[in-house]
Amino acid sequence: QVQLQESGPGLVKPSQTLTLTCAVSGASMSSGDYYWNWIRQPPGKGLEWIGYIYTSGSTDDNPSLKRRVTISIDTSKNQFSLKLNSVTAADTAVYYCARDVRRHYASTGFDSWGQGTLVTVSS
Amino acid sequence: DIQMTQSPSSLSASVGDRVTIICRASQGIRNDVGWYQQTPGKAPKRLIYASSRLHSGVPSRFSGSGSGTEFTLTITSLQPEDFATYYCLQHSQYPFTFGPGTRVDIK
Repeated sequence: QVQLQESGPGLVKPSQTLTLTCAVSGASMSSGDYYWNWIRQPPGKGLEWIGYIYTSGSTDDNPSLKRRVTISIDTSKNQFSLKLNSVTAADTAVYYCARDVRRHYASTGFDSWGQGTLVTVSS
Repeated sequence: DIQMTQSPSSLSASVGDRVTIICRASQGIRNDVGWYQQTPGKAPKRLIYASSRLHSGVPSRFSGSGSGTEFTLTITSLQPEDFATYYCLQHSQYPFTFGPGTRVDIK
């Protein structure tokens, strides 16, 4: 059974870069047709998809984040990472990593999630 | 972007009740919808994917249906552990988008 675990600083200053890592256990990131995703949820609000990375290194991210997103993968460590630059208070949220299992090249949504980590943007 | 709406935004129900939540997409998305349950302080859990396929381990009292632009999540015989917020997700086209959520609480 796959498990995902987010880690990173809980407090980031405005204008700086938010960096989080998601460690994957119970499955090899480089085998199987998986897309690895980041999703966030501001306190008391709904869910927003941030972006994904595929094993090949191809990525996509939400245009609403104005290209502030970088997602990378390290298959040797079985983990992937998120960098969000130029953060403001609006980026304060619980950040989740999640897996999307592809079937016949199509998404099936997010079958496994990390527990989430709260990141607060404040000086 | 594809916009997802949900109705109702909240509802009160009793244990044993049948509950129906509707999700509508701003354009046709075949059957590329999932449903997620979230309790306070926890990560969302997938209940349904591809509109009607039950995620492994999810009780059969949960079911989904629909295609195109209108989708339904039904919970037959609501249980105490089902009081939560439910979100739909369209996984047809990037950026993937979630509905705003439906809160189900105890009457």
